[in-house]
Amino acid sequence: GAVVSQHPSWVICKSGTSVKIECRSLDFQATTMFWYRQFPKQSLMLMATSNEGSKATYEQGVEKDKFLINHASLTLSTLTVTSAHPEDSSFYICSAREDRGPYSNQPQHFGDGTRLSIL
Amino acid sequence: SQELEQSPQSLIVQEGKNLTINCTSSKTLYGLYWYKQKYGEGLIFLMMLQKGGEEKSHEKITAKLDEKKQQSSLHITASQPSHAGIYLCGATPGAGSYQLTFGKGTKLSVIP
Repeated sequence: GAVVSQHPSWVICKSGTSVKIECRSLDFQATTMFWYRQFPKQSLMLMATSNEGSKATYEQGVEKDKFLINHASLTLSTLTVTSAHPEDSSFYICSAREDRGPYSNQPQHFGDGTRLSIL
Repeated sequence: SQELEQSPQSLIVQEGKNLTINCTSSKTLYGLYWYKQKYGEGLIFLMMLQKGGEEKSHEKITAKLDEKKQQSSLHITASQPSHAGIYLCGATPGAGSYQLTFGKGTKLSVIP
């Protein structure tokens, strides 16, 4: 159980293109999902917290207009990198926390990541 | 903000040897999570610790949280090549807060 599917796993596109990444919880509901970015040989950096039915909460320094997040259902969150440029190239990973009450300390389950390369 | 320091940064062991990875927090931990990542892939959840003095085991991996809830260790017994990867500890700061802060990771290599 607790499987998170992330798609696509690899994207190569031209500068100026917008890219959408999907994150789905396959066998559980997730009111809250998270988007991370990981640079080579570094740890994960939280970009934003995605909340179903409301606006995402972005971490300091993350551009809201550049990284659009939509969490339209309890099993799907999407991250759209708008007008992507080479500096946006990175490994993006999503995670989902199973809904078991606000004070239930459930682990986050992660997708397999999306490697984005902007030419 | 909570900071997690992992040690060692990297580790190379011979197959069959035991090893320990440590994770130290600057603040009291509410929840401590251990994950494993292979380069370029997602994270695999290993264990979650919440209570001071708690210890959990799964197969050959044991994780402990100290009584003060500021340090955790991950111990692998009789390591195998399949244990190779990057081990990350993550922590949540308090009840109702779901955001994870991660350590920088420990890269484990197991030589057959």
